[in-house]
Amino acid sequence: NAGVTQTPKFQVLKTGQSMTLQCAQDMNHNSMYWYRQDPGMGLRLIYYSASEGTTDKGEVPNGYNVSRLNKREFSLRLESAAPSQTSVYFCASSRGTGERQPQHFGDGTRLSIL
Amino acid sequence: QKEVEQNSGPLSVPEGAIASLNCTYSDRGSQSFFWYRQYSGKSPELIMSIYSNGDKEDGRFTAQLNKASQYVSLLIRDSQPSDSATYLCAVNRASGNEKLTFGTGTRLTIIP
Repeated sequence: NAGVTQTPKFQVLKTGQSMTLQCAQDMNHNSMYWYRQDPGMGLRLIYYSASEGTTDKGEVPNGYNVSRLNKREFSLRLESAAPSQTSVYFCASSRGTGERQPQHFGDGTRLSIL
Repeated sequence: QKEVEQNSGPLSVPEGAIASLNCTYSDRGSQSFFWYRQYSGKSPELIMSIYSNGDKEDGRFTAQLNKASQYVSLLIRDSQPSDSATYLCAVNRASGNEKLTFGTGTRLTIIP
């Protein structure tokens, strides 16, 4: 049982390039999330999807787009990468967005923008 | 005031002692509280959840919640070197926004 799987694990991009981070969960969870983690800043929510077919902005959505492809998959796209987007990106999922719904995290994608 | 505040540490505790980690939150209506452990270079791992005032014990871990004072704490008894990690406090706010808000974490080092 893999849980939450993220690909790729590492990526180096040049400024202006685009790429898509992939995330899939096999726990039949309804809600999925994308975070970035920077030193001293903690985990910051980029976008989330409360259920299949819906997406909403989080705390730091600028420069990103998301797609909830189906119940299992939630992708994050950087259209024109900037050095400020160098970070560790985590995907997470939970049964729902209500109370008492802990989130379970993937292993992360370490992204460097040169 | 940050929504969820933690002392960044580092907090150094001798092996075998009790490690005490604290977290305060600003939204008085918050209902769900979680502790995650994050080893260096790894992803956050859920270790405790607590929803009601009082203590909740799971093995060597005890979570304590005091909603009146708006703090939640994590005690680790008989600390082991393998407990050395960053501990993240997460709060589910109840202000119509049901997403988790994370603190910046406390780095804990257990000294053999």
